Amino acid sequence: GENVEQHPSTLSVQEGDSAVIKCTYSDSASNYFPWYKQELGKRPQLIIDIRSNVGEKKDQRIAVTLNKTAKHFSLHITETQPEDSAVYFCAAVSGYSTLTFGKGTMLLVSP
Amino acid sequence: EAQVTQNPRYLITVTGKKLTVTCSQNMNHEYMSWYRQDPGLGLRQIYYSMNVEVTDKGDVPEGYKVSRKEKRNFPLILESPSPNQTSLYFCASMLSGVVSNTEAFFGQGTRLTVV
Repeated sequence: GENVEQHPSTLSVQEGDSAVIKCTYSDSASNYFPWYKQELGKRPQLIIDIRSNVGEKKDQRIAVTLNKTAKHFSLHITETQPEDSAVYFCAAVSGYSTLTFGKGTMLLVSP
Repeated sequence: EAQVTQNPRYLITVTGKKLTVTCSQNMNHEYMSWYRQDPGLGLRQIYYSMNVEVTDKGDVPEGYKVSRKEKRNFPLILESPSPNQTSLYFCASMLSGVVSNTEAFFGQGTRLTVV
């Protein structure tokens, strides 16, 4: 089955800095890569996703890049704000909507 | 309002006492699944269901059962809970299990403690 590795496990940045979270996947058949944000005590919620026929996608301060050859994808957050502090999960979808998550990255943005 | 609803939110139980965590969605989604979340391990899939009466094991199915008798409901059953099933559980639904690029909507979570 699919295996998703996520790094780093924790990331501390100063407000206004950029943050990058990286993930690799093992199944070359995976074709959909969503990112979820989980605030403390809340449920995971989708923040951005990318499909395998696209190399990059942006939505305001967040962007995701995908390198299918290398089987890795990354989340980029620019101009970080304290409200960006949360746990971020990458995921890969292969087969019938089977979501395989990375272990998560705790992002802490200090004012 | 489109939502996935789990009950209960919090549950403390004793080893061996059967329990059921309910999950219901009002979006007419075909695909539903259960995850457990443990520190340092992320979200791991327990069971999933492609549609009514169609269920299959995820990565960590031992000690759990599910059923999908109706499209909107997907209960998680622990026949004989053990302390290693203490965890935070999430139910999720997606529009389709065949089209693999649809958003997963999560319930609010159930924090289970087995003593």
